[in-house]
Amino acid sequence: NAGVMQNPRHLVRRRGQEARLRCSPMKGHSHVYWYRQLPEEGLKFMVYLQKENIIDESGMPKERFSAEFPKEGPSILRIQQVVRGDSAAYFCASSTTGTVSYNEQFFGPGTRLTVL
Amino acid sequence: GESVGLHLPTLSVQEGDNSIINCAYSNSASDYFIWYKQESGKGPQFIIDIRSNMDKRQGQRVTVLLNKTVKHLSLQIAATQPGDSAVYFCAESGAGTASKLTFGTGTRLQVTL
Repeated sequence: NAGVMQNPRHLVRRRGQEARLRCSPMKGHSHVYWYRQLPEEGLKFMVYLQKENIIDESGMPKERFSAEFPKEGPSILRIQQVVRGDSAAYFCASSTTGTVSYNEQFFGPGTRLTVL
Repeated sequence: GESVGLHLPTLSVQEGDNSIINCAYSNSASDYFIWYKQESGKGPQFIIDIRSNMDKRQGQRVTVLLNKTVKHLSLQIAATQPGDSAVYFCAESGAGTASKLTFGTGTRLQVTL
């Protein structure tokens, strides 16, 4: 029973480059969430997706950030023209439904993005 | 905006003692609360949850207490072990935000031998 998988685990980018973070949810899960964690802080919600749909992107920065969850394949969080302030750990979680109080969100190990 | 915060950033406890980690929340509409444990380099791991219609819930060695009057949540760990050393986060979801979690800033628990 594989859990939520994220890759790469560590990603180093120079300012201005693009970062692509991948998340494969647990088997049978069709709901994916992305969170960002700055050092010594809690996780901050970014976006909630179902297959081919963005349900809630209220936590996504207005520019440079985008997310998708295609019909086939992993969910992708894309950050264009990265800046140093994007350095953080990005966590993906998945669940069987979209209501937290009825279904636990299982978290992946995270991708640690470092922008030089 | 609404936030979930913690009183103590670091808690040092001797092995075998009980630990209490506290959390304050500000969203009175919150109706579901979760405690997560995060070890270094890993993602958050579910520990225990509680709904707003309860004031106490027990698991294995852990108890969560909810005081809605003062909007306070606590996690009690009995007979703390070295493996309990981690950062603990409370998180909440509320009416209208059922799809996302709002996390507190975390408390680091250090277990000394």
